Amino acid sequence: DAGVIQSPRHEVTEMGQEVTLRCKPISGHNSLFWYRQTMMRGLELLIYFNNNVPIDDSGMPEDRFSAKMPNASFSTLKIQPSEPRDSAVYFCASSSGTSGRIATGTGELFFGEGSRLTVL
Amino acid sequence: GNSVTQMEGPVTLSEEAFLTINCTYTATGYPSLFWYVQYPGEGLQLLLKATKADDKGSNKGFEATYRKETTSFHLEKGSVQVSDSAVYFCALGYTGRRALTFGSGTRLQVQP
Repeated sequence: DAGVIQSPRHEVTEMGQEVTLRCKPISGHNSLFWYRQTMMRGLELLIYFNNNVPIDDSGMPEDRFSAKMPNASFSTLKIQPSEPRDSAVYFCASSSGTSGRIATGTGELFFGEGSRLTVL
Repeated sequence: GNSVTQMEGPVTLSEEAFLTINCTYTATGYPSLFWYVQYPGEGLQLLLKATKADDKGSNKGFEATYRKETTSFHLEKGSVQVSDSAVYFCALGYTGRRALTFGSGTRLQVQP
């Protein structure tokens, strides 16, 4: 079975440019999470979706960051304009979440391999 | 709110040494507890989990027991290998749609 697929794996861009990171969750999972990992702050939750609806975006650092989930099999995280302090590894994860009103699974998250972003 | 506290690293051990990485948590209700491992250049992978008090999760020689009375979920392995060198994350979560709460991670370095 395919796991969570992220692209690109590596992105190097210049300050001020727009960056779009992409994620395909595991088929059948209806919760999707974006995390950011840096040496200074560790693993931070940015936003998560349930059934394509954003549930908690309190971790999104500022208005330059936006995330969408137009359908159950695709999500994007966009940074516009990018800044050097956005340099990090961005992880997407998915889980089985809920089926209707019934909670499923044990809360386990399945992570992609990450997108390493460098903003010069 | 919920939180997870892990021992600070890095932890440096010789091959075949005994490993303990401490993890304690603060949470409401009855969370599930997890250990994730991150090898260099990779994403996080689930190592083991426990879903209720006194459960023991185990995988690849690693073990952790869900201790509600001490709110702990310490990771142990009897004999580490060089290939176990990685960053280990303790986490808690709930069935349903909430995100996991992660600890800060503990880097393990095993020397031959």
